[in-house]
Amino acid sequence: AQTVTQSQPEMSVQEAETVTLSCTYDTSESNYYLFWYKQPPSRQMILVIRQEAYKQQNATENRFSVNFQKAAKSFSLKISDSQLGDTAMYFCAFMKRSGTSYDKVIFGPGTSLSVIP
Amino acid sequence: GAVVSQHPSRVICKSGTSVKIECRSLDFQATTMFWYRQFPKQSLMLMATSNEGSKATYEQGVEKDKFLINHASLTLSTLTVTSAHPEDSSFYICSARETGRYTQYFGPGTRLTVL
Repeated sequence: AQTVTQSQPEMSVQEAETVTLSCTYDTSESNYYLFWYKQPPSRQMILVIRQEAYKQQNATENRFSVNFQKAAKSFSLKISDSQLGDTAMYFCAFMKRSGTSYDKVIFGPGTSLSVIP
Repeated sequence: GAVVSQHPSRVICKSGTSVKIECRSLDFQATTMFWYRQFPKQSLMLMATSNEGSKATYEQGVEKDKFLINHASLTLSTLTVTSAHPEDSSFYICSARETGRYTQYFGPGTRLTVL
């Protein structure tokens, strides 16, 4: 069974600084996807960034980038130029792919990020 | 972008009554929808996966007779909490996966309070 671990329950960062959130996962699968989701105080889940395991290049989305280390089963999220609106719970997530079908998404326990003015 | 709506956003009911929560994909067809439960400061716990036109697949430990899921069309799934009790009070979130694609889009959630 796959598991997702986030070892930092809470983090804080000064506005405009850079912060990195850690995520590790355990799987024996070779074909899968990884995600970072953001859940602000409104509790609406928002997809921040995604990574296909078969791609070596790290995904980037504006101020958000990942460091995907497949052999180490590590998938960290870097937020540059942190903004007050980045304050939220961040969930790392894993999804297995089987042929043309996609499995359920498995979420990590989350990291609560606070951006300090 | 893809939008998923949930109705109602908040519901308060008396113990022993049933409550229905609707989840709709507004601008895409969703063969698969998911229902999650989330307690304060915790992660999302998958309750069940529903595929249009077939029975839902429940996760271990989730009572299928208590949490009835219906996915009768490609844009609508419903979760009915039957004979609700205070311990069923929680935040329920649905998500929808567009047919043929893997990304899930989430609804805004429903806060259920059982008195």
